[in-house]
Amino acid sequence: GAGVSQSPRYKVAKRGQDVALRCDPISGHVSLFWYQQALGQGPEFLTYFQNEAQLDKSGLPSDRFFAERPEGSVSTLKIQRTQQEDSAVYLCASSSGTFTDTQYFGPGTRLTVL
Amino acid sequence: GENVEQHPSTLSVQEGDSAVIKCTYSDSASNYFPWYKQELGKRPQLIIDIRSNVGEKKDQRIAVTLNKTAKHFSLHITETQPEDSAVYFCAATLTGFQKLVFGTGTRLLVSP
Repeated sequence: GAGVSQSPRYKVAKRGQDVALRCDPISGHVSLFWYQQALGQGPEFLTYFQNEAQLDKSGLPSDRFFAERPEGSVSTLKIQRTQQEDSAVYLCASSSGTFTDTQYFGPGTRLTVL
Repeated sequence: GENVEQHPSTLSVQEGDSAVIKCTYSDSASNYFPWYKQELGKRPQLIIDIRSNVGEKKDQRIAVTLNKTAKHFSLHITETQPEDSAVYFCAATLTGFQKLVFGTGTRLLVSP
């Protein structure tokens, strides 16, 4: 079946602009995660949804970052007033259950803030 | 919170040799340890995982070992092939907390 998809794959923003990144998880997957991957580093956790409930947002770096999953499927990560340090690959992952299950990653959105 | 250290950061081997990547974790309560392979510009892909009730797991040329006492786990790749060249990440998590904490990655280069 289809895997996790993300759009856009690449986004260039001018400093101060708002951006919205979309994640389509595997159909039926309950859990959805956002990670940030800086160049040459491992992914770092941003936030976690179980269905439409955001259960953990401890990794969001500032109040400029906001995520939602209103219907328990598609999720959007929004970054307001982008700054150069926001440049990274934003990865979405989903897993089928609510306990520790395999997380399947999307291809990521590469955000470049000029 | 959990902290995962990974080494080496780069590893070069000849085709057919074995490769070993090691990780240590800090939270003794962590009980799930996946390994991901990430090729340049691609998504991380799970290659093998292990849970804390198991000491070793194998899948063809890949194996993972876990030492809970020492809080170490390792990835072993035998008979390496050029297509094994990629960045490998270890991760750790605790059931119920869901979020993966990743190591810093190992760039593996397999030369023909």
